[in-house]
Amino acid sequence: DQQVKQNSPSLSVQEGRISILNCDYTNSMFDYFLWYKKYPAEGPTFLISISSIKDKNEDGRFTVFLNKSAKHLSLHIVPSQPGDSAVYFCAASTSGTYKYIFGTGTRLKVLA
Amino acid sequence: EAGVTQFPSHSVIEKGQTVTLRCDPISGHDNLYWYRRVMGKEIKFLLHFVKESKQDESGMPNNRFLAERTGGTYSTLKVQPAELEDSGVYFCASSTQVYETQYFGPGTRLLVL
Repeated sequence: DQQVKQNSPSLSVQEGRISILNCDYTNSMFDYFLWYKKYPAEGPTFLISISSIKDKNEDGRFTVFLNKSAKHLSLHIVPSQPGDSAVYFCAASTSGTYKYIFGTGTRLKVLA
Repeated sequence: EAGVTQFPSHSVIEKGQTVTLRCDPISGHDNLYWYRRVMGKEIKFLLHFVKESKQDESGMPNNRFLAERTGGTYSTLKVQPAELEDSGVYFCASSTQVYETQYFGPGTRLLVL
């Protein structure tokens, strides 16, 4: 049973527009969430994180929003750039275990 | 600062053979994790070392998988004997403290024929 779900396997966005990637989770014990970006033949690269005590975290063009009541988080990329084209993984963990539970990823393609 | 390194980058073996994967974490990182991604699915946790001790091995699929971390530095993951379903990308990650962000290596792509 998948505890972290990314229901959109792929997303295409025009350069300069906003990219919104979504992630849903089922385990209410998760208290730390992350987004990783992965290019082909490379390992996942940490992008941004958020703890459950916050509902928003921003880092440059990247913002993560957390809606605990809906068990939903999203990653906003504004403005999107062609170099952002990659697979984005959502991950979650709980204090005490610290292992990451990943979603299946969303492939983002930013069109020039 | 060097990142997490993994060796080999690719391995193709036949069913029944043995393969050993190696991970060198970022220097000074006591926490080392192994994950696996099978054919476009999610990245799944295998196990977690704190220094040389196994903290959590709840994700290890079965006893054909053996992980070690001698001296608390690099780690090896041995698969013996390998089965077809073991094919996938094996990632290693490390962190300074358990609650700190994990940094991933490039992965080892294992294909069992």
